[in-house]
Amino acid sequence: GESVGLHLPTLSVQEGDNSIINCAYSNSASDYFIWYKQESGKGPQFIIDIRSNMDKRQGQRVTVLLNKTVKHLSLQIAATQPGDSAVYFCAERIGGYNKLIFGAGTRLAVHP
Amino acid sequence: ETGVTQTPRHLVMGMTNKKSLKCEQHLGHNAMYWYKQSAKKPLELMFVYSLEERVENNSVPSRFSPECPNSSHLFLHLHTLQPEDSALYLCASSISADNQPQHFGDGTRLSIL
Repeated sequence: GESVGLHLPTLSVQEGDNSIINCAYSNSASDYFIWYKQESGKGPQFIIDIRSNMDKRQGQRVTVLLNKTVKHLSLQIAATQPGDSAVYFCAERIGGYNKLIFGAGTRLAVHP
Repeated sequence: ETGVTQTPRHLVMGMTNKKSLKCEQHLGHNAMYWYKQSAKKPLELMFVYSLEERVENNSVPSRFSPECPNSSHLFLHLHTLQPEDSALYLCASSISADNQPQHFGDGTRLSIL
């Protein structure tokens, strides 16, 4: 039979625009959250993380926002570049030994 | 460049073969992980090692057998695999098995015939 993969939502943006990738997490007890970028043929690359006692954290061109009330996490990328094209995953830590639960991912496509 | 090196990058094996995947980290980390990434599911944690001791086994079938001889090396021994085990197997490491970012290798693409 035909193999069906995960259907990833795709966010298409113009080069230079800001991108916002959203993620809903499942467990209100999760205490640590992390964003990864995965390019074709490579493993996930750490972008930024945030602990549950914070609601915002900034890195270089990236900002993560955490809204614990609605269990929502977002990644903002400023001045999106073609090199930002990849699949982006959020993950939450649900106790235990750094046990991360990953979302399905969002594909970011940057157009010139 | 990630500091986590996985070999081989690609592996094709029959269901009756025995093979091993290798992971080596050059980051001085004390925790290592195995993940499975398949086309049909999100990234799934398989095993966690902290200071060479297995601390998490995420209900993984016994045909997958991990080994961590020291804090820099992690192996995944494979035997009698099934076609549904075809996937990308990713290794990661972190400073400790706590709230620390995990750094991934580029994975081994495994195909079961």
